[in-house]
Amino acid sequence: DAGVTQSPTHLIKTRGQQVTLRCSPISGHKSVSWYQQVLGQGPQFIFQYYEKEERGRGNFPDRFSARQFPNYSSELNVNALLLGDSALYLCASSQHWTGQSYEQYFGPGTRLTVT
Amino acid sequence: LAKTTQPISMDSYEGQEVNITCSHNNIATNDYITWYQQFPSQGPRFIIQGYKTKVTNEVASLFIPADRKSSTLSLPRVSLSDTAVYYCLVGLHISNFGNEKLTFGTGTRLTIIP
Repeated sequence: DAGVTQSPTHLIKTRGQQVTLRCSPISGHKSVSWYQQVLGQGPQFIFQYYEKEERGRGNFPDRFSARQFPNYSSELNVNALLLGDSALYLCASSQHWTGQSYEQYFGPGTRLTVT
Repeated sequence: LAKTTQPISMDSYEGQEVNITCSHNNIATNDYITWYQQFPSQGPRFIIQGYKTKVTNEVASLFIPADRKSSTLSLPRVSLSDTAVYYCLVGLHISNFGNEKLTFGTGTRLTIIP
């Protein structure tokens, strides 16, 4: 089975522009989460979607938005890009829990560079 | 989510057993302990998860003392390919699903020396 896929792999944008990142979860997974990872730091939670509804939001400005589609794929949008938005953006999918816990499966990420 | 504290970095030689300890003094009753591994320019990869005592899978063991205020990830006979950053996370219980703000710390950078 294919793992979590993300597109594009790399992206270069200029300040003030808008960007859309895409994620396809593992088949059968209904939850998608987005993370931002700045160089040298751990991933920081941005959003979680489950069954097309937002279920969690991290401490990110309103310039960040996301949505989940009926096929459970997801898009992350970032408006008015700042230099500080340069990071690796990770998508993770998970099933509705099995047993008493759940694990997330991460994609390879999209490397965004803002100049 | 309970805050975790890990060593910033560790070095070990090939073939040795490596133990990485994580402190989580404020762990809640329903919290699970989960470890992820991350290679450069890749997404984190789930290693192991546990609630109490000891959990073992094909790649690692997780030791959790009775008070659950710490945990130790044990990697047997490490190889060069185990060089990575290892993250300890606390939480992820079923009761929090959907409201979980999965929080990674800075992790432990493990370097395996030939």
